[in-house]
Amino acid sequence: DIQLTQSPSFLSASVGDRVTITCRASQGISSYLAWYQQKPGKAPKLLIYAASSLQSGVPSRFSGSGSGTEFTLTISSLQPEDFATYYCQRLNSFPYTFGQGTKLEIK
Amino acid sequence: EVQLVESGGGLVKPGGSLRLSCAASGFTFSNAWMSWVRQAPGKGLEWVGRIKSKTDGGTTDYAAPVKDRFTISRDDSKNTLYLQMNSLKTEDTAVYYCSRLFIAVAGRGFDYWGQGTLVTVSS
Repeated sequence: DIQLTQSPSFLSASVGDRVTITCRASQGISSYLAWYQQKPGKAPKLLIYAASSLQSGVPSRFSGSGSGTEFTLTISSLQPEDFATYYCQRLNSFPYTFGQGTKLEIK
Repeated sequence: EVQLVESGGGLVKPGGSLRLSCAASGFTFSNAWMSWVRQAPGKGLEWVGRIKSKTDGGTTDYAAPVKDRFTISRDDSKNTLYLQMNSLKTEDTAVYYCSRLFIAVAGRGFDYWGQGTLVTVSS
């Protein structure tokens, strides 16, 4: 199975910072990658699909890029509500594997 | 407003069975491809399986750890998704979410999620 590895696993940042999270696939997955945000005790929320398409209603400070095996999620200017755990997920073939997650904490 | 509401979670002994339900509203359920995703306590997300709409064949696919033990089904007349879990193991302990698979020309993602239901497998 194709594995997804996110880096870093933990990230400490301040409000207003620009942050980037990377997701690497063990084999090429074209652009079949999604990004989710999850807050404690809540269901995940879809942010980005098709590697770079912003889901409706998601603030424009979130952006995604990449294709093949390397992908990034960028938050251009962190807001207090952005501190959460972020997951990438591949959807090119089964199983629809998730990355291990990146926990974004307030510095 | 789209809503997905899971139910049926609880405490079950190893080797036991449980059926989860997910009641859908606010969209045409019969046209939707649906999935189950789980999250063990303090751990990451794990995709469990997916069912296509009946018009697209209604076929199912599962993750290796649950294949041959779990079965996903749907009742479009009741707008309800099910997850039948048999031969449960302690490692199946998790919050189980149902989600809708959003399919666009450019790609896919799970765009709506339920609140989750906790399944605890313990003696």
